[in-house]
Amino acid sequence: AQSVTQLGSHVSVSEGALVLLRCNYSSSVPPYLFWYVQYPNQGLQLLLKYTSAATLVKGINGFEAEFKKSETSFHLTKPSAHMSDAAEYFCAVSSNSGGGADGLTFGKGTHLIIQP
Amino acid sequence: SQTIHQWPATLVQPVGSPLSLECTVEGTSNPNLYWYRQAAGRGLQLLFYSVGIGQISSEVPQNLSASRPQDRQFILSSKKLLLSDSGFYLCAWSVVGYNEQFFGPGTRLTVL
Repeated sequence: AQSVTQLGSHVSVSEGALVLLRCNYSSSVPPYLFWYVQYPNQGLQLLLKYTSAATLVKGINGFEAEFKKSETSFHLTKPSAHMSDAAEYFCAVSSNSGGGADGLTFGKGTHLIIQP
Repeated sequence: SQTIHQWPATLVQPVGSPLSLECTVEGTSNPNLYWYRQAAGRGLQLLFYSVGIGQISSEVPQNLSASRPQDRQFILSSKKLLLSDSGFYLCAWSVVGYNEQFFGPGTRLTVL
């Protein structure tokens, strides 16, 4: 079984400050990890993904995440927050090796608030 | 390029009424298809997935059902809605052999 824990249902940062959203996973096999962003009343958009290549993954909108096997973590960061980053962020895990059709297992999400 | 459509965008239904939500994908063939439900503060829950026409796997027992009458069409249904069926329903697709999923715009369902 696999699971995802996102620490902090709400994170508030000032505009221009570092963004750090935490994600820890549990998986019995090497995982595939994803970060998605959701703006109000919209679907999910993929920010970045880890698929066993480089452990530091760069995504869209200046976000990046680092896979740390020893810590079973995949935290999302951005050096400087922008007002447009305010949204809900979801971490997700898939333990399929690239051929299964099973859905992703999502964390409960972190609402990112940007203070002006 | 590939696109995914969902309709309706919003829906208000009385308890006990039927439901039909539709999802279609364009620009790809034989995708894997998924239905998720998002309830407030509870993240996303996988409801159904499909690897082909007529092939449906259910992840959570409930009063919902899914069908895939065509390769790129995925329908979520219910004969009698419950209050607990309220939520944001998301359809997604993926390419066979890949884990990355692409999401539609969602349907906001309110059951009164």
